[in-house]
Amino acid sequence: GQQLNQSPQSMFIQEGEDVSMNCTSSSIFNTWLWYKQDPGEGPVLLIALYKAGELTSNGRLTAQFGITRKDSFLNISASIPSDVGIYFCAGRLAGNMLTFGGGTRLMVKP
Amino acid sequence: DVKVTQSSRYLVKRTGEKVFLECVQDMDHENMFWYRQDPGLGLRLIYFSYDVKMKEKGDIPEGYSVSREKKERFSLILESASTNQTSMYLCASIPDRGLFNEQFFGPGTRLTVL
Repeated sequence: GQQLNQSPQSMFIQEGEDVSMNCTSSSIFNTWLWYKQDPGEGPVLLIALYKAGELTSNGRLTAQFGITRKDSFLNISASIPSDVGIYFCAGRLAGNMLTFGGGTRLMVKP
Repeated sequence: DVKVTQSSRYLVKRTGEKVFLECVQDMDHENMFWYRQDPGLGLRLIYFSYDVKMKEKGDIPEGYSVSREKKERFSLILESASTNQTSMYLCASIPDRGLFNEQFFGPGTRLTVL
């Protein structure tokens, strides 16, 4: 199946710092999604992007759908300890099938 | 709130055992999915079902089977568990129509095969 390259694999930052992570693909997608997974829980949707070039915010989170439709990034501003978790990007081409990135593990030092 | 529940949070089985993982959703969703999650590999699709008694193979169906006898329930079956099936298993569901096409995930079942 298709693969999404997500980077970085892990990040260890100081509370209050901004964070940026991204996903790239060799194929184009019609929808980009960003999920967060807390330890021991299933992923929860953070942001959904439906149009190339779209920039969407959800509180301290901002995500963009790349113009080429082959990439997306997620920014978290002023990180707090509860931002700890694994962040996944997912792309959808058609139907209800999603392709997931490998995840970015975020650790925040108080 | 959409609720997707999985029968066990943690499961320990022995090699060769038959294992059933159950998933139930209470939102009348047509589509249900089983993924496994391994470090560095993200979520990989095992099987999905878009209707009762219908099933389709995902990216890694080998060693697994599924059953969808009722709309709300989607079962993942390991006919003869092996150690390389030790993983976190996540169930998800999605309606045919909706404003957002995201999948709603259950809490996961962490399976260890000894």
